[in-house]
Amino acid sequence: GAGVSQSPRYKVAKRGQDVALRCDPISGHVSLFWYQQALGQGPEFLTYFQNEAQLDKSGLPSDRFFAERPEGSVSTLKIQRTQQEDSAVYLCASSRYGETQYFGPGTRLLVL
Amino acid sequence: DAKTTQPPSMDCAEGRAANLPCNHSTISGNEYVYWYRQIHSQGPQYIIHGLKNNETNEMASLIITEDRKSSTLILPHATLRDTAVYYCIVRVASGGSYIPTFGRGTSLIVHP
Repeated sequence: GAGVSQSPRYKVAKRGQDVALRCDPISGHVSLFWYQQALGQGPEFLTYFQNEAQLDKSGLPSDRFFAERPEGSVSTLKIQRTQQEDSAVYLCASSRYGETQYFGPGTRLLVL
Repeated sequence: DAKTTQPPSMDCAEGRAANLPCNHSTISGNEYVYWYRQIHSQGPQYIIHGLKNNETNEMASLIITEDRKSSTLILPHATLRDTAVYYCIVRVASGGSYIPTFGRGTSLIVHP
């Protein structure tokens, strides 16, 4: 069956640009997570959805980061006015109810 | 969730068993031990999880000590494709707003 997909796989942005990263979770998965992974580090939690409700956004590093999941399926992570420190891999994961998480391939963002 | 401690790196000869340790001395009674791995440029992949009994699946075996303060992930016949970063996480497996802490994991290199 289809796994978690993310698009684009690679994104190059100029500093100050806005970017939108998309995540398509596994069909029927209630929970969706976003992580940020810097080079050489483990994934760091950003935010969590249960269906369309954003239950935890404590990991979002600033108010430039915004995530939504309006219909409880596809999710979008938006970064406004990107900065060089935003360069990282952004990972999306889904799970049926929050236990075992299945990850997408990630979006590699490079801010110049 | 309890924190875990893993060695930063290990190596193993192809065809031999790879034994990856993890310490979780502050684990609570209702927390499971989860293992994920991340192959270069891919998202993390679920391997196995357990509560107190040893577990085995097609990928690996998980041995949890009787006091549950440590565990070992065993890859019985390591191949070059098992080269990856392995993450040990402890968490409550009841869903909800679980926020996993990945840490830096163990970088396993399987050599010919």
